Amino acid sequence: GAGVSQTPSNKVTEKGKYVELRCDPISGHTALYWYRQSLGQGPEFLIYFQGTGAADDSGLPNDRFFAVRPEGSVSTLKIQRTERGDSAVYLCASSLTADRVRETQYFGPGTRLLVL
Amino acid sequence: DAKTTQPNSMESNEEEPVHLPCNHSTISGTDYIHWYRQLPSQGPEYVIHGLTSNVNNRMASLAIAEDRKSSTLILHRATLRDAAVYYCILPSGTYKYIFGTGTRLKVLA
Repeated sequence: GAGVSQTPSNKVTEKGKYVELRCDPISGHTALYWYRQSLGQGPEFLIYFQGTGAADDSGLPNDRFFAVRPEGSVSTLKIQRTERGDSAVYLCASSLTADRVRETQYFGPGTRLLVL
Repeated sequence: DAKTTQPNSMESNEEEPVHLPCNHSTISGTDYIHWYRQLPSQGPEYVIHGLTSNVNNRMASLAIAEDRKSSTLILHRATLRDAAVYYCILPSGTYKYIFGTGTRLKVLA
């Protein structure tokens, strides 16, 4: 069956540019999460959606980062005025619900962002 | 948030069992212990989770200490495909995973 997919798989951009990263969750999953992973580190939580709304965006590093999920399915992570420090792998995950006890998070392969 | 401590790296010979430890001394009574692993150039994948009792599935076993302050992920026969970074996670809040740096497992042929 189809898992979580992310596009593009790789993105190279220049400092100051705007980028959009897309996540297609598993069909029927209401919860969606974005994480960021720097080299040699574990993934770091960015934002969580329950349906269309961002239930927790406490992990977004600053106001250059924004994410949407307008129809409760596909999500887009948007980064304005990119900086070299934004270079990382951006991971998306989804789960059927947000129940931490019962639900497994399924991760996509990630988008590798390189800001030159 | 409950914190986990894992060794940075471990090695195992192929076809031998591997025991990956995790300390979580500040665990609360309702925290489940989750294990994920991340193969090279892939996103993390679920391995196993448990609360108090030892758990088994097709991938691994999870042994949880009686006081729940530590747990051990057991791979019964390591293969080269098991080489990955293994994360022990205690979910924060209702949904948020806090990953540490995990244990990098190297499997020797």
